Amino acid sequence: KNEVEQSPQNLTAQEGEFITINCSYSVGISALHWLQQHPGGGIVSLFMLSSGKKKHGRLIATINIQEKHSSLHITASHPRDSAVYICAVGAWAGNQFYFGTGTSLTVIP
Amino acid sequence: NAGVTQTPKFRILKIGQSMTLQCTQDMNHNYMYWYRQDPGMGLKLIYYSVGAGITDKGEVPNGYNVSRSTTEDFPLRLELAAPSQTSVYFCASSELWGNRDRNNYGYTFGSGTRLTVV
Repeated sequence: KNEVEQSPQNLTAQEGEFITINCSYSVGISALHWLQQHPGGGIVSLFMLSSGKKKHGRLIATINIQEKHSSLHITASHPRDSAVYICAVGAWAGNQFYFGTGTSLTVIP
Repeated sequence: NAGVTQTPKFRILKIGQSMTLQCTQDMNHNYMYWYRQDPGMGLKLIYYSVGAGITDKGEVPNGYNVSRSTTEDFPLRLELAAPSQTSVYFCASSELWGNRDRNNYGYTFGSGTRLTVV
């Protein structure tokens, strides 16, 4: 049983499409992270949130604490958005930190 | 401002050898972390530190040791390398919980160290 489940595992979209990646978790958390890992392996933190919604450019992250669910949305997707998106939950400072296995996104021109 | 710097980028070790993965950050972050990423698996937390002189175990600490003598540096030590430690290792740092003026609390990853134990 995984504490963090992401869906879909793989996603292919046409450039310009609106994309949603979902994350469900089964543990109590203090915060949830969305990370982006590019094909070269580098990891970038996109968002860390504990409630509500955050927006940065074309990216929007939402979280529903009661339902233990978060979504990452990408508006007007672009080929440069192609990457693996990873959801992670945990305490801010603690050893209970769980990662999803990622959603591999490919955006076709 | 270099962010989080990890060295080396690649290393091959023989079983039983020791090595230290270096990690340094220049953002004055209090929190630092070491993760490993195995193929097809999610990242797992090895050790973390909430400040100089303070370290604690994560989910998979066995076979590793860390120290945090300064705010900037958080080296990860492998004492007796085993094939099960073949992985990609990432160091990361972040700001204090109370600093919420950025979307991601300044959470920054290093570029990774690909370690193979043979």
